Amino acid sequence: AQSVTQLGSHVSVSEGALVLLRCNYSSSVPPYLFWYVQYPNQGLQLLLKYTSAATLVKGINGFEAEFKKSETSFHLTKPSAHMRDAAEYFCAVSDSPGANSKLTFGKGITLSVRP
Amino acid sequence: KAGVTQTPRYLIKTRGQQVTLSCSPISGHRSVSWYQQTPGQGLQFLFEYFSETQRNKGNFPGRFSGRQFSNSRSEMNVSTLELGDSALYLCASSFNMAGDQETQYFGPGTRLLVL
Repeated sequence: AQSVTQLGSHVSVSEGALVLLRCNYSSSVPPYLFWYVQYPNQGLQLLLKYTSAATLVKGINGFEAEFKKSETSFHLTKPSAHMRDAAEYFCAVSDSPGANSKLTFGKGITLSVRP
Repeated sequence: KAGVTQTPRYLIKTRGQQVTLSCSPISGHRSVSWYQQTPGQGLQFLFEYFSETQRNKGNFPGRFSGRQFSNSRSEMNVSTLELGDSALYLCASSFNMAGDQETQYFGPGTRLLVL
């Protein structure tokens, strides 16, 4: 079964600093990987997804993630943090591609941005 | 195009009662999935419906059930509520095109508090 590990529960950066949120996956088949963001009292919003088309995936709001098979990682980065990036971020792996898929989520990481 | 809508947004029930939550997917989407989010367990998959049939099920007791209607709208029911059922219940819809990894779009969630 697929699984996702997000190390640490909280990351704090200064505004303008690099954001790096780590995600490692475990999968017996080529994975489909996702990053979602959740703002307070809201649902999940898709930031980006990896579906084997390209290893470097660009998403919304300036975020990107790189799929590294050798490291089983899919870390999320943003060159310059903004106050509005403060939220909870979830990495997820799909149970199977296409039909009958379900998402398995990591525990989530709370990102704080200091002025 | 309107997003995924969930009703009600907030709900307070007492132990032993039952509750029904509703989800309207994005127009044209045929797959609806339900997730439970709690601080302790994180995001967990409940079940997925496609064309009025449950296709996938998570590890939840039989008190949790659901159904999907011909217009793809879905309802989730929890009977004999327990304190531990207090959570944010998220609904996600996807187009579910075969051969392509569909993206799940999430609604804002229904926050259930069991007293």
